[in-house]
Amino acid sequence: SAVISQKPSRDICQRGTSLTIQCQVDSQVTMMFWYRQQPGQSLTLIATANQGSEATYESGFVIDKFPISRPNLTFSTLTVSNMSPEDSSIYLCSASPGTEPYEQYFGPGTRLTVT
Amino acid sequence: GQNIDQPTEMTATEGAIVQINCTYQTSGFNGLFWYQQHAGEAPTFLSYNVLDGLEEKGRFSSFLSRSKGYSYLLLKELQMKDSASYLCAVMDSNYQLIWGAGTKLIIKP
Repeated sequence: SAVISQKPSRDICQRGTSLTIQCQVDSQVTMMFWYRQQPGQSLTLIATANQGSEATYESGFVIDKFPISRPNLTFSTLTVSNMSPEDSSIYLCSASPGTEPYEQYFGPGTRLTVT
Repeated sequence: GQNIDQPTEMTATEGAIVQINCTYQTSGFNGLFWYQQHAGEAPTFLSYNVLDGLEEKGRFSSFLSRSKGYSYLLLKELQMKDSASYLCAVMDSNYQLIWGAGTKLIIKP
């Protein structure tokens, strides 16, 4: 298994600003993902963070709003840009070793509130 | 479209057994996962099924029937700490996880 840390754990931000969330894995992993989760709801995949190339975004999410970096096999960042109250959510980073059974391990999450 | 269904909420008694069902319709199948998520915490991996049958892991077991698009998670000897949401997720043909909405399990003394 992989141990994942995220920073910050929570933040309160003003409308129109940007926040960068960091995700660090304790071992090299093939795949890293960014999710959003509203309280009481399931996980929504934002994008797959690819090492050395542009992230792969899911429908409804765009790079200008959620730029992602993945400079190496243990680290990734997600930026939430030009925030609005609708971006208030929990943002989760996950990682998979990329071998069967391809299970994902999750970071503790970042609770974002936009005022 | 892709769809995963599981009950929204279930209640059970400490010491008892509970079965949480999950049905799915996805484009392809590369395995089914169960995750546990305590309130305010990240999901943690519980089990994985890719072949039909029952996988047992301590007090937790998971069953899969691919022909029926059906799985269940069985929790035995329930403890208060088992109160959590249980998420069913299916890996589709693109090796992407499709998540259910989760089942909130409430354990009563």
